Amino acid sequence: AQSVTQLGSHVSVSEGALVLLRCNYSSSVPPYLFWYVQYPNQGLQLLLKYTSAATLVKGINGFEAEFKKSETSFHLTKPSAHMSDAAEYFCAVSPFQTGANNLFFGTGTRLTVIP
Amino acid sequence: DSGVTQTPKHLITATGQRVTLRCSPRSGDLSVYWYQQSLDQGLQFLIHYYNGEERAKGNILERFSAQQFPDLHSELNLSSLELGDSALYFCASSVQTDTQYFGPGTRLTVL
Repeated sequence: AQSVTQLGSHVSVSEGALVLLRCNYSSSVPPYLFWYVQYPNQGLQLLLKYTSAATLVKGINGFEAEFKKSETSFHLTKPSAHMSDAAEYFCAVSPFQTGANNLFFGTGTRLTVIP
Repeated sequence: DSGVTQTPKHLITATGQRVTLRCSPRSGDLSVYWYQQSLDQGLQFLIHYYNGEERAKGNILERFSAQQFPDLHSELNLSSLELGDSALYFCASSVQTDTQYFGPGTRLTVL
């Protein structure tokens, strides 16, 4: 079975501060992992993905995430928060290697950036 | 813009009614996925079609059904609507790879 847990439903950071959004996964097979961002009244936009290549994955808008198998984690980071980063962020896992590639999402983390 | 389109953007209807949500995938994508986003259930996978055939089912109610047509667009049919069906319904598409691209969603309100 596949699932993800996002620690912290709300995270607040000051503009210019480090952003750290936590995601832990559970998967019976080597997983594919994703971070999506959702801006108000919009769909989900892919930030980055891990598909068993490099463990440090760089995405759009300055975000990156590191796959740590020993910790079953895939935390999302950005060195310096911008006001435009305020949104909801979803971590997702896909059991792609079983032939099924529907996504299992976490409950989301709402990021607030304080000026 | 992901290239995935969904219509309508908003839908308001009454309990007991039936509605159809439409999704056009990105050009060349053979897979279409439907997801439901609600406050109490979060984002949940409903169903996956690949080139016209159903491939996987998630937490989809029996009152809900979907199909994918020869031109690859997909429709999600929701019937005997209940208040609890109010949600955002997303469609996503992919080629046959890992990355799913999401549409803007259809917001369904059941009164």
